[in-house]
Amino acid sequence: DTAVSQTPKYLVTQMGNDKSIKCEQNLGHDTMYWYKQDSKKFLKIMFSYNNKELIINETVPNRFSPKSPDKAHLNLHINSLELGDSAVYFCASSHRGDWARRGEQYFGPGTRLTVT
Amino acid sequence: DAKTTQPTSMDCAEGRAANLPCNHSTISGNEYVYWYRQIHSQGPQYIIHGLKNNETNEMASLIITEDRKSSTLILPHATLRDTAVYYCIVILGFYNQGGKLIFGQGTELSVKP
Repeated sequence: DTAVSQTPKYLVTQMGNDKSIKCEQNLGHDTMYWYKQDSKKFLKIMFSYNNKELIINETVPNRFSPKSPDKAHLNLHINSLELGDSAVYFCASSHRGDWARRGEQYFGPGTRLTVT
Repeated sequence: DAKTTQPTSMDCAEGRAANLPCNHSTISGNEYVYWYRQIHSQGPQYIIHGLKNNETNEMASLIITEDRKSSTLILPHATLRDTAVYYCIVILGFYNQGGKLIFGQGTELSVKP
């Protein structure tokens, strides 16, 4: 069983389009995240949701909108895609309730987004 | 959150122990040391974490110095599959909203036959 899954694995689209990436976790965690890894391999947090509530919102353009329909899902919708959005996007989850293990996160396989 | 410093790259012979150092001289008393790794094209993988005491699990051991200003991740018997970028991350526990991880450049470990 896959703990954290993402779809699609690859996404190629043109500038100006709107696309979504889906994430699901079956670990029973209460917190989910989106990270972006750019071409230089730097990995940076974008958003975090706890029990469907946004708790971390880094400096991300408004074109990016996360949506959490329930604790097990966190989707990322991107409007008006730009060339600079090309990256690998990782979803992750953790159990925020255990503060001693708050940094123990489990990542999905990533979605490679290419904007042409 | 405390900043960490790691060597850019390291080599290790297969079957030998890999010792990956990390400096975190500005760490505060309630900050944890976490280690992750990222194997090429995969998502980051949690390895281990600790606060003050040394820790061991099925993947690795974490040695934290008494003053907590540095730590070492030990892979006791490195295999080719351990070739990856290893990240040392220091974060607040109780006060850290959502467990925000800040990834640096990490150490690229190459395990060679």
